[in-house]
Amino acid sequence: KAGVTQTPRYLIKTRGQQVTLSCSPISGHRSVSWYQQTPGQGLQFLFEYFSETQRNKGNFPGRFSGRQFSNSRSEMNVSTLELGDSALYLCASSLAGRDTQYFGPGTRLTVL
Amino acid sequence: AQRVTQPEKLLSVFKGAPVELKCNYSYSGSPELFWYVQYSRQRLQLLLRHISRESIKGFTADLNKGETSFHLKKPFAQEEDSAMYYCALSAGGYQKVTFGTGTKLQVIP
Repeated sequence: KAGVTQTPRYLIKTRGQQVTLSCSPISGHRSVSWYQQTPGQGLQFLFEYFSETQRNKGNFPGRFSGRQFSNSRSEMNVSTLELGDSALYLCASSLAGRDTQYFGPGTRLTVL
Repeated sequence: AQRVTQPEKLLSVFKGAPVELKCNYSYSGSPELFWYVQYSRQRLQLLLRHISRESIKGFTADLNKGETSFHLKKPFAQEEDSAMYYCALSAGGYQKVTFGTGTKLQVIP
């Protein structure tokens, strides 16, 4: 079974731009969660989608948004990028509920 | 609010020595606790979860509700155990997971 894939793997943007990251979950998984990982804050929960609906949201500003498609693929968008948004963005999928999460390799975003 | 605390950023032990990675949590309800591990240049992956009560790679973790702890233990450390370990808590009915800041385990040969 193919694992969670994330594209692109690396991104360099400048302040004020916007960015869209993509996540393809494991086949059959309906829950997709997004995390931001930084050296200072560690892993922080962004949001979780299940069957195209956002079920949970972390404490991030509205510049961070996401969506999930009918095939469970998910995208997250960050608008008006700030230097502090530089991080590794991880996506994780699970069957549903509080099942084991399977993580992707992450997208490394650098904001200059 | 839920919180997970891992007090040690780095834990160094000699090969063959016992290992205990500490994790304390705060949550008023019934949480589900996990340990995730990230080996060098690999993805974050589940090591074990408290409801399964199993031992993975020689590691065990017991949920102590009185002390709100979920410490990870292994009687004899191996070099291949060197990795970053994250304690995580899932609360409520859905997938909202809070991670600790992680502990880097370094096993000295």
